[in-house]
Amino acid sequence: GENVEQHPSTLSVQEGDSAVIKCTYSDSASNYFPWYKQELGKRPQLIIDIRSNVGEKKDQRIAVTLNKTAKHFSLHITETQPEDSAVYFCASFNFGNEKLTFGTGTRLTIIP
Amino acid sequence: GAVVSQHPSWVICKSGTSVKIECRSLDFQATTMFWYRQFPKQSLMLMATSNEGSKATYEQGVEKDKFLINHASLTLSTLTVTSAHPEDSSFYICSARLPPREQFFGPGTRLTVL
Repeated sequence: GENVEQHPSTLSVQEGDSAVIKCTYSDSASNYFPWYKQELGKRPQLIIDIRSNVGEKKDQRIAVTLNKTAKHFSLHITETQPEDSAVYFCASFNFGNEKLTFGTGTRLTIIP
Repeated sequence: GAVVSQHPSWVICKSGTSVKIECRSLDFQATTMFWYRQFPKQSLMLMATSNEGSKATYEQGVEKDKFLINHASLTLSTLTVTSAHPEDSSFYICSARLPPREQFFGPGTRLTVL
């Protein structure tokens, strides 16, 4: 089955700096890659996603890149703010079996 | 966006009892719902896929007789943890799929088994 690895597990950045989280996946049939933000005790919230036919997508301070050949994708957050502090999960989705496989998570802390 | 609710939000029960958790899609019909379990500081692990009107599909290592799933309508799936034990204490999250691909998550249910 699909395996999604995520790095780093923890990340601390100074407010205003950029944060980058990287994921790799194993199943070449995966074709949709969402990113979720989860605050403590809350549900995961979709913050951005990318389809396999697109290499990059941007939404204000958040961007995601996908390298399908290398099977890795990354989340970029610019001009970080304290409210960006949370746990971020990458995920891969396979249309064939409709399964969403999550990465191991990154705890992002923004230092004021 | 689409709204998914879960009930209860938290439950404390004695070892050996059964607990039922409900997952509802409030403003859309979901033929497919998913149940995840999340232990502290860990990722979400898929337990089973719930399909309306048919049997659930369980992931490897998840006991189907212990975690009973019923998806009797297009807006409701239930997860029953039977004979719960302390090791079943976890955060249980459901999601409902809005075709073609996006999943909307419920707020989660924190189960504590004493």
